[in-house]
Amino acid sequence: GENVEQHPSTLSVQEGDSAVIKCTYSDSASNYFPWYKQELGKGPQLIIDIRSNVGEKKDQRIAVTLNKTAKHFSLHITETQPEDSAVYFCAARLERGSTLGRLYFGRGTQLTVWP
Amino acid sequence: DTGVSQNPRHKITKRGQNVTFRCDPISEHNRLYWYRQTLGQGPEFLTYFQNEAQLEKSRLLSDRFSAERPKGSFSTLEIQRTEQGDSAMYLCASSLTGNYNEQFFGPGTRLTVL
Repeated sequence: GENVEQHPSTLSVQEGDSAVIKCTYSDSASNYFPWYKQELGKGPQLIIDIRSNVGEKKDQRIAVTLNKTAKHFSLHITETQPEDSAVYFCAARLERGSTLGRLYFGRGTQLTVWP
Repeated sequence: DTGVSQNPRHKITKRGQNVTFRCDPISEHNRLYWYRQTLGQGPEFLTYFQNEAQLEKSRLLSDRFSAERPKGSFSTLEIQRTEQGDSAMYLCASSLTGNYNEQFFGPGTRLTVL
């Protein structure tokens, strides 16, 4: 199956600074990479995703980059705000095989944005 | 609120008891997933349904766990003879069919086994 590694496990930034979270995956058959934000007491919520045929995607202050050759993808948050504080998870999904449908998650990054 | 609801939100039980959780997905979503999340970890896949058919089960889903989606709408996850190691957040998600369709997660059911 797929193995997703995520770093760092905790990240503290000052309001207005940028935050970068990095993930690697093991199976070259993965073709879909979503990022989820989870606030305390809530389920994960999708914030951005990228397909394997795209190298970069941006949505306002959030961007994701994908390097298929190196099998890594990153989340970039610019102009961070205190409400960005949460746990962020990267995930990957395989495009074929019996495991089609499931998401493989990283262990999460606790982002804290200080005012 | 994503539109996926789960009940109960919290469950405390004694070791050896059976528990059942319910998930109501977004109405037009034909795929439904169950994940388990322990403290400090990402969600781990348990099983998923397309309509009423259970298409995949993780090896994490021991024979004490059973999931159903009888009419292709809501789903239940039952854990028999609970153990302390079953304590976790149980998350349900739903999506449309297709490789790139977003999985919408519910708020989860937090299980504590004493």
